[in-house]
Amino acid sequence: DVKVTQSSRYLVKRTGEKVFLECVQDMDHENMFWYRQDPGLGLRLIYFSYDVKMKEKGDIPEGYSVSREKKERFSLILESASTNQTSMYLCASKQGGKPQHFGDGTRLSIL
Amino acid sequence: EDQVTQSPEALRLQEGESSSLNCSYTVSGLRGLFWYRQDPGKGPEFLFTLYSAGEEKEKERLKATLTKKESFLHITAPKPEDSATYLCAVQAGNAGNMLTFGGGTRLMVKP
Repeated sequence: DVKVTQSSRYLVKRTGEKVFLECVQDMDHENMFWYRQDPGLGLRLIYFSYDVKMKEKGDIPEGYSVSREKKERFSLILESASTNQTSMYLCASKQGGKPQHFGDGTRLSIL
Repeated sequence: EDQVTQSPEALRLQEGESSSLNCSYTVSGLRGLFWYRQDPGKGPEFLFTLYSAGEEKEKERLKATLTKKESFLHITAPKPEDSATYLCAVQAGNAGNMLTFGGGTRLMVKP
């Protein structure tokens, strides 16, 4: 079974802080994704990566950046956290034509 | 622009009362339609992929079907443990590995 692990289940940060969300997958998948999930808005793609050091913007990249230095790890960075970035963040990975597999999410609160 | 609309937003059923969830989509060249189940506080769990109109997939009490405009998730004789949010997502021909998600249907099955 594919295992996608997100480093924190819950995180509380302050406005203006730089925040790092980490995601690790154990199946050597090429593709990794970061989404945020908000009530009434569904899952929205922030960034994805199709290989080490490669990244593409999703639908809502503003205020975020990503890093993929190793194949198994994909990091989401909030450069200067704001209250409107309070959300559930979900990481996913996939290989080829197979479906995306998700981690259990990080619930991030920005105070 | 690719769009996915799920209905109803919420559905309450009695145990054993069969019903269907709807996923309507507009996409440029469908490559795949995906159904996921999401429990509270967890990430989405993959259920089915459908690729072409007329295709059907089954798993226990769930059956997914696909037409050129919509997909249905039929739930036969549901049990309380089927209570969850069900998400539908599409992969368009020109979208690479990106998925567009619907808003989900929250299913509650009462004993």
